[in-house]
Amino acid sequence: QKEVEQNSGPLSVPEGAIASLNCTYSDRGSQSFFWYRQYSGKSPELIMFIYSNGDKEDGRFTAQLNKASQYVSLLIRDSQPSDSATYLCAVGQSRLYFGRGTQLTVWP
Amino acid sequence: DAGVTQSPTHLIKTRGQHVTLRCSPISGHKSVSWYQQVLGQGPQFIFQYYEKEERGRGNFPDRFSARQFPNYSSELNVNALLLGDSALYLCASSDRAFSGNTIYFGEGSWLTVV
Repeated sequence: QKEVEQNSGPLSVPEGAIASLNCTYSDRGSQSFFWYRQYSGKSPELIMFIYSNGDKEDGRFTAQLNKASQYVSLLIRDSQPSDSATYLCAVGQSRLYFGRGTQLTVWP
Repeated sequence: DAGVTQSPTHLIKTRGQHVTLRCSPISGHKSVSWYQQVLGQGPQFIFQYYEKEERGRGNFPDRFSARQFPNYSSELNVNALLLGDSALYLCASSDRAFSGNTIYFGEGSWLTVV
C-alpha cells in the first residue's frame, strides 16, 4: 500500500507570512507529485505539480521535491486569508494517492 | 467551456439501497476516474476508465462498479449501501490515461446513507 503522509494541522499563520506544508511518501519509485487546494464543501483544485528534484515556482507558490528523502513541500509566500483551505498532497501515475490534507488558516 | 459535470450533487439513501452517480468529462477527454472522499480524509481511488475500458481499480468491494459509455461519460454504481459509504464522490477527467497535470475534478456528489 503506497502511503502519503502530511504534517498534522491545523496550521495557522498571519497574513503576509510564509506557510510551509510538508508531505512524505512511501513509494521510492514515485515520479509525479501534486498539490491540491480544497475549500470547505468544494472539490480539490490542482495548484501545483512537480516531477523533478528541486524547486518549482508559480506566483506565490513554490513546490519543492527531494526524491532521495521522499519528501515534497509547498511554500505559500505572502499568505492571504483567501488561502485558507485544506491542502492535499498527491502522488501517482495512472492513479493518485492522497494524503489526509493539512488545514491552513490565514488570519488577517 | 463546460468543466466536469456530476449528478446528482446531493442525495440521501437508506442502508441496503443502491445508487448511481453520473459524470460527464470535459469535452475531448477520454479518461474518467472516480474517487471517494470521506470527511476528514483525502480522496481514495476507486476506478479509472480510458477509452471505455477499465484501467485501474482501487481497494473497494465488489459492491462498487462503474462503466464508461461511448460518449466517454461514466456511471458509478454502489449496491447494498452501508453507512460507511457516506462520502463525497469525485469524478476526475483527463485527456490521457495518465496526465496528472491535466486532471480536473468535478464538484462531486455528496452521498449520505442513513
